[in-house]
Amino acid sequence: GAVVSQHPSRVICKSGTSVKIECRSLDFQATTMFWYRQFPKQSLMLMATSNEGSKATYEQGVEKDKFLINHASLTLSTLTVTSAHPEDSSFYICSASQLRGALSQETQYFGPGTRLLVL
Amino acid sequence: GEDVEQSLFLSVREGDSSVINCTYTDSSSTYLYWYKQEPGAGLQLLTYIFSNMDMKQDQRLTVLLNKKDKHLSLRIADTQTGDSAIYFCAETLPLSGGYNKLIFGAGTRLAVHP
Repeated sequence: GAVVSQHPSRVICKSGTSVKIECRSLDFQATTMFWYRQFPKQSLMLMATSNEGSKATYEQGVEKDKFLINHASLTLSTLTVTSAHPEDSSFYICSASQLRGALSQETQYFGPGTRLLVL
Repeated sequence: GEDVEQSLFLSVREGDSSVINCTYTDSSSTYLYWYKQEPGAGLQLLTYIFSNMDMKQDQRLTVLLNKKDKHLSLRIADTQTGDSAIYFCAETLPLSGGYNKLIFGAGTRLAVHP
C-alpha cells in the first residue's frame, strides 16, 4: 500500500521558536495533502488542505500566518508552526491523497504523526 | 452541517464480535471510511464503503450502511487483542479535482479482554 512518512516524529521546542514538520508520500505522487491536528483523546480536526503549486486552503479558525504550509513538490508538504506557544502542543498528522482506478476513487493515506511539545 | 457521532467506548471479550456504530449528517458523502489508530500512531485505513452499497465484507470486517438513517457500522468478527485501538469513522465532503475532505467522528476506543 501507499506509504506516507512524517519527520520528525517527536519534537520539543521552546516557546517562541518555529518548528517545521515534513510530510512525504514515498511511493506515489500526491497533488493534495491534508494537515490535521489531534488533541489527547479527541478526534482529528482538519487544519488545511495543501495543494501542490498553489496556496493552501485553511479551515475556519486556523491562523494561516501561524501555520505556514508549503507544498513544493508532488511528494512533499511542510507545516511550519511559527512562534510556537504551549497551546500549540499537539499531535499533528498529515495525509496524502491518491486517485486510483477508472472511477478515480480517492484514498487518503496517513502519516504516523508528529508530537509537538512546546515548553 | 458536518457532524459525525460515535459511541466512545466498547469492551468485548476475545473471540466475540465487536460492533462499532456511527451516524453522519451529510447525505452527499460518496464514500464512508473506517480508520484504526493505535496508541501514538497515525491512522490506518481499514475499509471503506461506497454510498450506493448496503454492505461490504472484507475478511473479518463487515461494514453496513443504512443511507436512509445515515447510519454506518463496523463489525469485527472473532475480535483479537490486537484489535484493541481507537476506531474512527469518517464521512466525505467533496473538494475540487475529485478530492474529498474527511470529517471524523470522535473515535470509539475498543478494549479487548481475555
